[in-house]
Amino acid sequence: EAQVTQNPRYLITVTGKKLTVTCSQNMNHEYMSWYRQDPGLGLRQIYYSMNVEVTDKGDVPEGYKVSRKEKRNFPLILESPSPNQTSLYFCASSSTGTYTTEAFFGQGTRLTVV
Amino acid sequence: KNEVEQSPQNLTAQEGEFITINCSYSVGISALHWLQQHPGGGIVSLFMLSSGKKKHGRLIATINIQEKHSSLHITASHPRDSAVYICAVRWGGGNQFYFGTGTSLTVIP
Repeated sequence: EAQVTQNPRYLITVTGKKLTVTCSQNMNHEYMSWYRQDPGLGLRQIYYSMNVEVTDKGDVPEGYKVSRKEKRNFPLILESPSPNQTSLYFCASSSTGTYTTEAFFGQGTRLTVV
Repeated sequence: KNEVEQSPQNLTAQEGEFITINCSYSVGISALHWLQQHPGGGIVSLFMLSSGKKKHGRLIATINIQEKHSSLHITASHPRDSAVYICAVRWGGGNQFYFGTGTSLTVIP
């Protein structure tokens, strides 16, 4: 079954404690991206990757890091989380054969930073 | 920067009604996606459009490239259609996605 898997689904952490949210896809997609969703602001893109070792900033990259060492995995790293990073996070993937391909989303990770 | 606007923000309908959700954007795009987010939070891609019209069951999506406008229609709405519907665009010159803030639909039995 084609899917994007995020872990964990829920996470409560303390300010400053480094954390990683994992994202894996089984569709051999080139394009992967991370989004955060906040009430009233909708979804905003954090980082995206066009392929292995190719990453770029989205609209709200501050406080986040990503890496793309393998095609299937695209982890989101918060080196020093702060309360304003409390949000619902989504990973997504799609093929980049053209720009007109369907996107697949993970189930989301609800992060609370206290 | 591409701006994406959706209307209405909230919509309540009686079961069986025909529903239209609108999306307008400000610059030329390569593709427009309609997404559905259920109360549990997961997001599902409903349609990806670069021109014309697509239909899946009771859902129809149209796009007018010249007018920079897309609509999502739901025929014979059902309570299980209750969800947030989100429009997302990928503009022609780049690889970023921009999202509308969503339309919250409630269908009452």
